[in-house]
Amino acid sequence: GAGVSQSPSNKVTEKGKDVELRCDPISGHTALYWYRQSLGQGLEFLIYFQGNSAPDKSGLPSDRFSAERTGGSVSTLTIQRTQQEDSAVYLCASSLGPATNEKLFFGSGTQLSVL
Amino acid sequence: RKEVEQDPGPFNVPEGATVAFNCTYSNSASQSFFWYRQDCRKEPKLLMSVYSSGNEDGRFTAQLNRASQYISLLIRDSKLSDSATYLCVVSGGGADGLTFGKGTHLIIQP
Repeated sequence: GAGVSQSPSNKVTEKGKDVELRCDPISGHTALYWYRQSLGQGLEFLIYFQGNSAPDKSGLPSDRFSAERTGGSVSTLTIQRTQQEDSAVYLCASSLGPATNEKLFFGSGTQLSVL
Repeated sequence: RKEVEQDPGPFNVPEGATVAFNCTYSNSASQSFFWYRQDCRKEPKLLMSVYSSGNEDGRFTAQLNRASQYISLLIRDSKLSDSATYLCVVSGGGADGLTFGKGTHLIIQP
């Protein structure tokens, strides 16, 4: 499709398990963002990839969270040893360039539930 | 920490009315401003950028007041389909460049 694709759309896991969330950005978009949104809350920035530059990981809440972007395209967000407070919608977004200048396109998100 | 503050609402407005809400930001160096719309259980989508001179897109008008550090969104002749959460987004610092407000929830009533 032409939009940002995220998978899975829903993920239920047990506390302590690892999970991987996938994001396929729009082709040609150099910037990729991960955000987290808890129920009734705003978007919390997690990590930002821009081209071949080192990613900005300043928003990752703990060392249990990591992300990579292979070949400047697909990105995977990994959460190790999940905790109940990790339950949220994880949103991926991409833009042609830095989002300060370009429109952000969001995927439909992954709803993560940690039991 | 840069802050973007919005009245969470909800704003309950009759169909056809005009509604306006503001968003304040703390970083005076912010350069770019946006309004995004988020429907219930959906992803945010860009509604409009906010330019220094103010801008209008159909029933929607956005304005920027740099001196008082706020942006506003005005919706005229509101429609039921305008019901959504409106996110104020500000850039101008930090590697991620964008700070999202928590949103203002708007409910248009028939």
